Amino acid sequence: SQQGEEDPQALSIQEGENATMNCSYKTSINNLQWYRQNSGRGLVHLILIRSNEREKHSGRLRVTLDTSKKSSSLLITASRAADTASYFCATDASGGYNKLIFGAGTRLAVHP
Amino acid sequence: SAVISQKPSRDICQRGTSLTIQCQVDSQVTMMFWYRQQPGQSLTLIATANQGSEATYESGFVIDKFPISRPNLTFSTLTVSNMSPEDSSIYLCSVSDRGRTEAFFGQGTRLTVV
Repeated sequence: SQQGEEDPQALSIQEGENATMNCSYKTSINNLQWYRQNSGRGLVHLILIRSNEREKHSGRLRVTLDTSKKSSSLLITASRAADTASYFCATDASGGYNKLIFGAGTRLAVHP
Repeated sequence: SAVISQKPSRDICQRGTSLTIQCQVDSQVTMMFWYRQQPGQSLTLIATANQGSEATYESGFVIDKFPISRPNLTFSTLTVSNMSPEDSSIYLCSVSDRGRTEAFFGQGTRLTVV
């Protein structure tokens, strides 16, 4: 079963703007991951944040984690048309083997 | 990292038939998983493919409908049996090892049942 919800379900912005996506989950976690999917193809790992971390950066990506609220957010700064994709959060149900439970996902459209 | 070859990339099948999807990894991996992604939806875990033993299925998925094989540490197949239009989805395999910070995914098989 899916771990939780993501909002918004869809987001449409202009190039250069920031995009923020939120994810909630239901169970306790060791880490939370974000993945990207282009046009219904394979997923690509973006970033992992551990349960004892509150914020993590990677390039134009910034992820936050609030374990008290069981929620995470992904911020993409200075978005580009190439960032157009679906973004999913995922939690590991297997204690380290990446048996992933995915959130509902956010479809991001970045317009030139 | 792991490179995954998933075949076929897409197929259109008649209802009542079966399709076998292959997942080949370029290195030995401990864990292999199969996911289903229904149109416009997120990914749902079907099962964990166990090397040399029966797969472990998630709630709502059964071996008769989704038989899985894993003869070695680099290869697995998922069969979608007795297909109906409701089986139209993208099916993805994923691999990982303990301690890895990420899972790697195949490019998916887009299945349409008519």
